[in-house]
Order: sequence, then structure tokens, then C-alpha cells
Amino acid sequence: TQLLEQSPQFLSIQEGENLTVYCNSSSVFSSLQWYRQEPGEGPVLLVTVVTGGEVKKLKRLTFQFGDARKDSSLHITAAQPGDTGLYLCAGDNNAGNMLTFGGGTRLMVKP
Amino acid sequence: DAGITQSPRHKVTETGTPVTLRCHQTENHRYMYWYRQDPGHGLRLIHYSYGVKDTDKGEVSDGYSVSRSKTEDFLLTLESATSSQTSVYFCAISEPWAGHLTDTQYFGPGTRLTVL
Repeated sequence: TQLLEQSPQFLSIQEGENLTVYCNSSSVFSSLQWYRQEPGEGPVLLVTVVTGGEVKKLKRLTFQFGDARKDSSLHITAAQPGDTGLYLCAGDNNAGNMLTFGGGTRLMVKP
Repeated sequence: DAGITQSPRHKVTETGTPVTLRCHQTENHRYMYWYRQDPGHGLRLIHYSYGVKDTDKGEVSDGYSVSRSKTEDFLLTLESATSSQTSVYFCAISEPWAGHLTDTQYFGPGTRLTVL
């Protein structure tokens, strides 16, 4: 079974601070996705990274896929209360349209 | 938003009773999935379907069965509910595109199930 470990599990910061969330595995993934989930709703896709070393930016969010395609990070610059939520990484091992999800990082940004 | 609905949205039941959760999509996507979400575990795949009457087990399939008689509906059944099946259940859909390296999964709003 492929595992994805996310860290930290919980993060509480003040508005304006920067943060980084990590997603690590000993397995190689063909791609990795990041989702955000708000209370009472299902996860929503933020980004997909495919190429080792790839960096994608989505406004204040920067996503990076490790060179060996085993890990990824999400960096948020100048966090805002609207960034509060559960962030999930999910790896695709290219074996039949199935994703392996990490345990999630619960982020709270206080005004 | 992808057209995915789940019913019921909330259910409280007693140990030993059968429970069926329904996922309905209007997107005509071929793949449908059932996940459960528990604190610290992220989302764990229970069963998935890759077409009408075509289903397969996921990571945590024990105690669950599924059926898909129509493209738009995917049912998850707990034959005899146990307290360990108290969780939030999410349905997701995806449609593989030829030449795409990966596919997006679209999630429903979830069903909160409590087994007493």
C-alpha cells in the first residue's frame, strides 16, 4: 500500500504569515494533486503537478513536486482567513484511476 | 460545480441495521468512487466503479457492498452497520480522458453517518 504522509497535521497562524505544508512518500507517483476542503463540503481540486521539479502558482499558493516525484509541498504567502480549511494531497500511481490521499493538514488563519 | 448529490446528508442508525447511501451524478462520468473520511486518515477508498455493473474493492471494503445499475447512480450498502462505520462518506466521480496523465475527481457534499 502506498502511503502519503502530510505534515503538520494542524497549523494555526495569524493573518499575514507564511506557511508550508508537506506531503511525503517513499513511493513514486505519476502525478500529485492538492485539494482544499471546507467544513461540511467535499474536497475541491486546487492543482495537479505532473513533472518532477515542477512548480505551479495559484495566486498566493505555490505548489512544488519533488524531483523524484515522491514528495510535494504547498507554500502559502501572506495567509488570509479565507485560506482556512483542510488541505489534502493525493497521489496517482497510474494504476486504474485511483488516488491515494494523505491524512490532511488542517489550517486555521486567525484575523 | 459538478452535478453530484448524495442522500441522505445525515443519518443516525443503530448497530446491526442495514444502511444504503446513494450517490447521483448528472455528468455522465464513467468512474464513481465511495470514500470514508475519519480524523487523521484523510480519505480512504471503500469501493469504486468503472462502468455500469463494473465495480472493484478499495482499501477499506470490508463490511461494505456497492451496486451500479445505471451510469448516474452508485449505491453504498452497509449490510449490518457497526459503530466503527461511523464516519463521513464522500462520493466522487471522474472521467478519464485519452492522453491525459491524470484525472480530476469531483466530490459530492458528503453524508454524515452515525451508528449508535
